[in-house]
Amino acid sequence: GENVEQHPSTLSVQEGDSAVIKCTYSDSASNYFPWYKQELGKRPQLIIDIRSNVGEKKDQRIAVTLNKTAKHFSLHITETQPEDSAVYFCAASRGTYKYIFGTGTRLKVLA
Amino acid sequence: NAGVTQTPKFQVLKTGQSMTLQCAQDMNHNSMYWYRQDPGMGLRLIYYSASEGTTDKGEVPNGYNVSRLNKREFSLRLESAAPSQTSVYFCASSEGGHTGTQYFGPGTRLTVL
Repeated sequence: GENVEQHPSTLSVQEGDSAVIKCTYSDSASNYFPWYKQELGKRPQLIIDIRSNVGEKKDQRIAVTLNKTAKHFSLHITETQPEDSAVYFCAASRGTYKYIFGTGTRLKVLA
Repeated sequence: NAGVTQTPKFQVLKTGQSMTLQCAQDMNHNSMYWYRQDPGMGLRLIYYSASEGTTDKGEVPNGYNVSRLNKREFSLRLESAAPSQTSVYFCASSEGGHTGTQYFGPGTRLTVL
């Protein structure tokens, strides 16, 4: 069935360094790829998304890249800050009704 | 705008009891979703409603039923709770169609003893 693999499951970086989280999807018809951030005890919140007709998208310190041929997409966070510490989830969707989520990456930014 | 709201925030049930989780959104969204979140397993879709009047199964529908009461409200029912249903439940909504973004409620933490 459809599957999204996410790596790494945990990631520790020094404040100011960059963090990269990678996801691979199985359904070649997937065309929408959102990233959510979930702080402890809170709801997931969308931080950035990309559609299959675009290769890269940036929003300040956050960027997402998509490689349709290899069926993978990545989240890049530059100049990390302690408030970036959270669990990050990727998802893939064909159309928009059904997201398949990755299993999450716990990012810890060390001051 | 409150966005997506859920009740209750916390619930403890005994095995075999039933309960209904409530979800409402005030964003005039067409589509609504129920997920469960378990440690190490991400978010898994239980049921969704693409539009008022329709519901469909997601990845893990067994043991659950849903009702799309109207455009605003989408409820999740556990008829006979089991310990395996201990989880955090999130409701979400989106405009539907090709606009994509799902907005999540604050979650309900359910424990089944």
